[in-house]
Amino acid sequence: NAGVMQNPRHLVRRRGQEARLRCSPMKGHSHVYWYRQLPEEGLKFMVYLQKENIIDESGMPKERFSAEFPKEGPSILRIQQVVRGDSAAYFCASSLSGGMNTEAFFGQGTRLTVV
Amino acid sequence: QQQVKQSPQSLIVQKGGISIINCAYENTAFDYFPWYQQFPGKGPALLIAIRPDVSEKKEGRFTISFNKSAKQFSLHIMDSQPGDSATYFCAASRQGGADGLTFGKGTHLIIQP
Repeated sequence: NAGVMQNPRHLVRRRGQEARLRCSPMKGHSHVYWYRQLPEEGLKFMVYLQKENIIDESGMPKERFSAEFPKEGPSILRIQQVVRGDSAAYFCASSLSGGMNTEAFFGQGTRLTVV
Repeated sequence: QQQVKQSPQSLIVQKGGISIINCAYENTAFDYFPWYQQFPGKGPALLIAIRPDVSEKKEGRFTISFNKSAKQFSLHIMDSQPGDSATYFCAASRQGGADGLTFGKGTHLIIQP
């Protein structure tokens, strides 16, 4: 039973390029969350999605960032025109439901480096 | 505005000792308080969680103590082992689940053999 799978594990992009981060939730999980972790910082919530719907994007920067979770396939976090400040570890988590006492299982993260 | 403050930033404990990590929160709407353990290069893994209707929860060597009036909660690791060396994060959420978790900045715990 595979856990949350994120790829790539490491991604290097030049300033101005696009970064696409993929997340496949655990089998049977239909709720996906994206978090960003800066060095020596805790994780910061970005967005919460269910299949084909964005439920909460209160932590998502208003520009250049977008997320989707299509009916088929992985969830995608897309960062357009990356800047050095986007360098961070991006973690995806999934859960069986979105209700009370719902445990979120985290993937191993994608470490984005913008050069 | 940091809504969950965690201390200490780093902690060294002798094997067999008790590791104590503290967190304080500001938002009284928080009603779910999990602790996560993270090893280098890995994602965070849920250790133990508590809701504000109880003051203490114990699972094996790990105990959460919760003080609602002080808006504080802490993680105690009894009989600390070298394998416990990791970064620990406290977190809180409003909906009692995984949506919109607010994390502390983490504590680097080292257990010396």
